[in-house]
Parts: sequence; C-alpha cells; structure tokens
Amino acid sequence: GAVVSQHPSWVICKSGTSVKIECRSLDFQATTMFWYRQFPKQSLMLMATSNEGSKATYEQGVEKDKFLINHASLTLSTLTVTSAHPEDSSFYICSARDVKGPYNSPLHFGNGTRLTVT
Amino acid sequence: KQEVTQIPAALSVPEGENLVLNCSFTDSAIYNLQWFRQDPGKGLTSLLLIQSSQREQTSGRLNASLDKSSGRSTLYIAASQPGDSATYLCAVGETSGSRLTFGEGTQLTVNP
Repeated sequence: GAVVSQHPSWVICKSGTSVKIECRSLDFQATTMFWYRQFPKQSLMLMATSNEGSKATYEQGVEKDKFLINHASLTLSTLTVTSAHPEDSSFYICSARDVKGPYNSPLHFGNGTRLTVT
Repeated sequence: KQEVTQIPAALSVPEGENLVLNCSFTDSAIYNLQWFRQDPGKGLTSLLLIQSSQREQTSGRLNASLDKSSGRSTLYIAASQPGDSATYLCAVGETSGSRLTFGEGTQLTVNP
C-alpha cells in the first residue's frame, strides 16, 4: 500500500532555533501534500497545502514566514519551523495523495513528528 | 465554515460489544467523508472513505454510513476487540476532497 514517511518522528529543540520536518511519499508521487498540526487533546488542523514546484497555500492564521514549506520534488515536501517557540510544540502530520490514483482516492498520512520546544 | 463534531468524546466498552460512533457536520456540501484511526502518538490510518453520492461503506467489522442531507455519519464497529482501542477521527472533505476538516475524535477503550 501507499506509504508516507515523516522524519524525524520526534525532535526537541531550544527556543529560537529552526527545525526541518520531511514528508516523503515512498512508493507514489504526489503533486500536492498537506501539513496538519495537532495540539494535545485536540483534532488536526490544516496548516498549509504544499504544491510541487510552486508556492504553498497557507490557511488563515498560519504565518507563512514562520512555517516555511518547500515541495521540490514529487516525493518530498519539507516544513521548517523557524525561530521556534514553546507554543509551537505540537504534533505535525503530513498527508498526500497518489497523483496517478483515482481522483477520489483516500489521502495517506505519515506517522507524524512530535516537536517539543524548550 | 465547516464544523465537525464527534460524540461521544470517549467511550469504554467490554470486549465483544457492538458500538456506534457519531459524527455530524454543519455544511452538507461535502465531497466525501473519511473515518480514521489514530493510536497514541501515531499518525492516521484510513478506515473507510464514503463519497458524497454513497450512503455506506463496509470493511470487515466496520460499517460507515452517511446521511448528507442531515449532516451525519456513523461508524459501526461489530464485536469489538481490545485491539480496537484507539481514537477514531471523522473528517469531511470539501471541494476535491483533499482539504479535510476533522472532528475532535472519539477515544475508544475496549476492555478485555
């Protein structure tokens, strides 16, 4: 089945530093990937839509200069949390759909990255 | 703005019991609806996907129904097992179905 791999699975960083999270589609290509954030005891909230070869589309309230998204290839999207602060501590999950699959096929999710900013 | 609500927030049942999880959404103009399972600290596993034109989908012991006009979906789990313990998330897909709006989930515990 289609697999989406996220790396790292967890990361601890100091306040003010930047952290990069990778999302890879291992056995399919994805022109579009999605980044979600999940705070404890809350559901997933869409942060941005990553588009291969073009700029990402950010949801209202998400700072594009703080959450940098790069989708340089059909199998890789990265999310960089710049100048991280403790309030950025969260669970970040990416998802993708096979570009060659049916238009209405389900999205595949990565296993998420737990970010803790101290 | 679409809002998705899941009831109950938590559910604890003995092994073998049949159970129903509920999901409601405010805007009936949806593309599809998807049920996911999330284990603690893990990502999401897709369980069932129902297109807006469909009324139900089945996979093994799971059955999901969709009543778009009333803005409701249910996930039925038959003969529950301890391994079913997880958080179950309902997500509504809009436009092309790629952008999902999630409910807050139902945390299920199946006791041996």
